[in-house]
Amino acid sequence: AQTVTQSQPEMSVQEAETVTLSCTYDTSESDYYLFWYKQPPSRQMILVIRQEAYKQQNATENRFSVNFQKAAKSFSLKISDSQLGDAAMYFCAYSAANAGGTSYGKLTFGQGTILTVHP
Amino acid sequence: NAGVTQTPKFQVLKTGQSMTLQCAQDMNHEYMSWYRQDPGMGLRLIHYSVGAGITDQGEVPNGYNVSRSTTEDFPLRLLSAAPSQTSVYFCASSYSPRTLGTGELFFGEGSRLTVL
Repeated sequence: AQTVTQSQPEMSVQEAETVTLSCTYDTSESDYYLFWYKQPPSRQMILVIRQEAYKQQNATENRFSVNFQKAAKSFSLKISDSQLGDAAMYFCAYSAANAGGTSYGKLTFGQGTILTVHP
Repeated sequence: NAGVTQTPKFQVLKTGQSMTLQCAQDMNHEYMSWYRQDPGMGLRLIHYSVGAGITDQGEVPNGYNVSRSTTEDFPLRLLSAAPSQTSVYFCASSYSPRTLGTGELFFGEGSRLTVL
């Protein structure tokens, strides 16, 4: 069974600074997807960024980028120029891909990291 | 386009009562699933469905029942509520691998359930 581990229960960052959230996973699959989801106090789950395992290039979305190390099974999220609105719980998630290279849509989540942004 | 709609948003039950959490999506997604969120444990998959008439168990299925009679609806039934089922429940949907399976889940707003 796949597992996802977020070893940082809480992190904090000053506004405008950079913070990195860690995630490791365990799988025997070679083709899969990795995600970072954000959950603000509203409880809504929001997709931040997605990485396909077959792509060597790290995904980026504006101020959010990942460091995907496939051999080490590591998938960290870097938030640059942190803003007060980035304060939330962040979840790392894994999904296996089927033989066609697309996802089953069943995700395994990490425990979550609470990010606090100080003004 | 409402996305994924869950009802109710909040519910308090007594031990032994039954209830149904409703979930509907209007994106024509084939995949639908239910997760529960507990502190320190992330989200865990309860049941999922890959299409109308097809359901399967996830990681924590005990005490829950699902059915999928239409593409749009995927209700979650608690047969006899227990305090251990106090949690926040999320319904989610996604495209199937046959269409545009990027793996992204689209979530409802969550339902907070308390069992006394």
